[in-house]
Amino acid sequence: QKEVEQDPGPLSVPEGAIVSLNCTYSNSAFQYFMWYRQYSRKGPELLMYTYSSGNKEDGRFTAQVDKSSKYISLFIRDSQPSDSATYLCAQSSGGYNKLIFGAGTRLAVHP
Amino acid sequence: ETGVTQTPRHLVMGMTNKKSLKCEQHLGHNAMYWYKQSAKKPLELMFVYNFKEQTENNSVPSRFSPECPNSSHLFLHLHTLQPEDSALYLCASSQDTGGGANEQFFGPGTRLTVL
Repeated sequence: QKEVEQDPGPLSVPEGAIVSLNCTYSNSAFQYFMWYRQYSRKGPELLMYTYSSGNKEDGRFTAQVDKSSKYISLFIRDSQPSDSATYLCAQSSGGYNKLIFGAGTRLAVHP
Repeated sequence: ETGVTQTPRHLVMGMTNKKSLKCEQHLGHNAMYWYKQSAKKPLELMFVYNFKEQTENNSVPSRFSPECPNSSHLFLHLHTLQPEDSALYLCASSQDTGGGANEQFFGPGTRLTVL
């Protein structure tokens, strides 16, 4: 069983749409959940992270963790063509900076 | 230069060649990482260095040999690679390996093709 599972997509949406990206995880001991964004020909960059469960909002982006179902979500409101990228979810143990990544979901936002 | 830089950006090598990948971070961090990114697969952690000491080798074949001469530089020496080693190799750094939301900053990667 993969530790973090993520639908690879691709996901294609029109500009202005609400995007929902999702991951499931298996290890309940890991408490930090991250979302990284990776543009083509670039390395991943941290978008936002949450600790334990609940929501966190940053501008058009909302990260959500549901520990009862082991589900991680990233919502993008009013999506823009500049949001076109691969989005990687990750889990961290917190005690040692080891990140467990999902395979990434490729998102395309078309004008 | 800012952030994390990697050279070369692209590398094509034969199975009998020896080459090295270089990573440099300009962030004052103490931990550095090598990852392998293959298409449609999760990033695979290969090696971790903290204050120049290797703290993790994730069962990586010996044809990959890391070197960390100081906290700012990290190398990955390659020899007798296989075609399945073709991938994007990413370097990352963080303040240390102390955990918490200890953000890792990634370089742009080296796209490696093994013929």
